[in-house]
Amino acid sequence: SQQGEEDPQALSIQEGENATMNCSYKTSINNLQWYRQNSGRGLVHLILIRSNEREKHSGRLRVTLDTSKKSSSLLITASRAADTASYFCATDWGAQKLVFGQGTRLTINP
Amino acid sequence: DAMVIQNPRYQVTQFGKPVTLSCSQTLNHNVMYWYQQKSSQAPKLLFHYYDKDFNNEADTPDNFQSRRPNTSFCFLDIRSPGLGDAAMYLCATSPGGTSANTQYFGPGTRLTVL
Repeated sequence: SQQGEEDPQALSIQEGENATMNCSYKTSINNLQWYRQNSGRGLVHLILIRSNEREKHSGRLRVTLDTSKKSSSLLITASRAADTASYFCATDWGAQKLVFGQGTRLTINP
Repeated sequence: DAMVIQNPRYQVTQFGKPVTLSCSQTLNHNVMYWYQQKSSQAPKLLFHYYDKDFNNEADTPDNFQSRRPNTSFCFLDIRSPGLGDAAMYLCATSPGGTSANTQYFGPGTRLTVL
């Protein structure tokens, strides 16, 4: 299977702390994306990092990509209760398809 | 606002009774996808259309079919739902072409099979 793996599967932190999630994948990719899914809802695209990029920022989000290790991390700084959700990495290796990781369930405690 | 719409949001059907889920988009995207997502799992791609070209995943059961009558609409037909087909069904779109494959998701349809 080409499916990526995410670590940790679940993460619980206090509001205001930083949250880090990791993603590993198996094949060469064009880009890697992160999505958020609130409970019972569809996925929302957060950020995309291309294979020739090493780091990207968007607001409180910071994504890194290490293609030599086939891994990526998503950092959410200064977490808020509204950040409580599941976060999925997705790899784009062409063919107009994404392969999603298993996701990290993030809980922000007030 | 441009968006992906799924109807209904909740669908209850009986074991073996055919059911159709619908998806529409106002993004004018070339590619439309159907995913199945079970509790605490990753979305699993069932199939996708690139324009009118249908692309089935190798492990998608024959029980699942799809139709895309025009650019805006795509349907998921489950011919004989089993208890194992209870899940969230997500529709997504992407621009296609040389664009990065960023996907835009609808809110999903939660299917219950009794």
